[in-house]
Amino acid sequence: GAVVSQHPSWVICKSGTSVKIECRSLDFQATTMFWYRQFPKQSLMLMATSNEGSKATYEQGVEKDKFLINHASLTLSTLTVTSAHPEDSSFYICSATDRASGYGYTFGSGTRLTVV
Amino acid sequence: RKEVEQDPGPFNVPEGATVAFNCTYSNSASQSFFWYRQDCRKEPKLLMSVYSSGNEDGRFTAQLNRASQYISLLIRDSKLSDSATYLCVVNNNQGGKLIFGQGTELSVKP
Repeated sequence: GAVVSQHPSWVICKSGTSVKIECRSLDFQATTMFWYRQFPKQSLMLMATSNEGSKATYEQGVEKDKFLINHASLTLSTLTVTSAHPEDSSFYICSATDRASGYGYTFGSGTRLTVV
Repeated sequence: RKEVEQDPGPFNVPEGATVAFNCTYSNSASQSFFWYRQDCRKEPKLLMSVYSSGNEDGRFTAQLNRASQYISLLIRDSKLSDSATYLCVVNNNQGGKLIFGQGTELSVKP
């Protein structure tokens, strides 16, 4: 079945530094990648949608200059949290789909970010 | 109003119990509906899609009422391993985005 590899699975970083999270589709072409954030005891909130080769579309309230998304290939998308602050500490999850083939949504295993 | 709303939970039930989760969605143009399961600190996993005719998968039954914009999930004969958070998810066909409810936590006790 479809697999999305997400890493790192957890990361601790200092305030002010940047963190890059990668999601790779291992056996299908991820034409569309969705990035979610989940705070404790809350549901997944969509941050942005990215289509391969295009600029990401961000949801209202999500700062595009703070959360940089790159989806330069059909198998790789990255989310970079720039100048991280403690309030950015959260669980970040990607989800990939190949809309052209009608593939369902495959989720990465998530990245737990802690900013100290 | 949230696009997808679920019972607040948590639900604490004994093994063998039947438990029902309810969900409502606000966008009448929504096209696809799902129930996902999420274990603590893990990614959500698809439990089942929900069809207008209702569908069953073993101990799990999902129902959709488009007129009421209401989705349900019934779990029969609860097992300890059913303990998780259940997420009601809707696809509005707006760029393929999935909209998640806040989730209902289920705890099945021996």
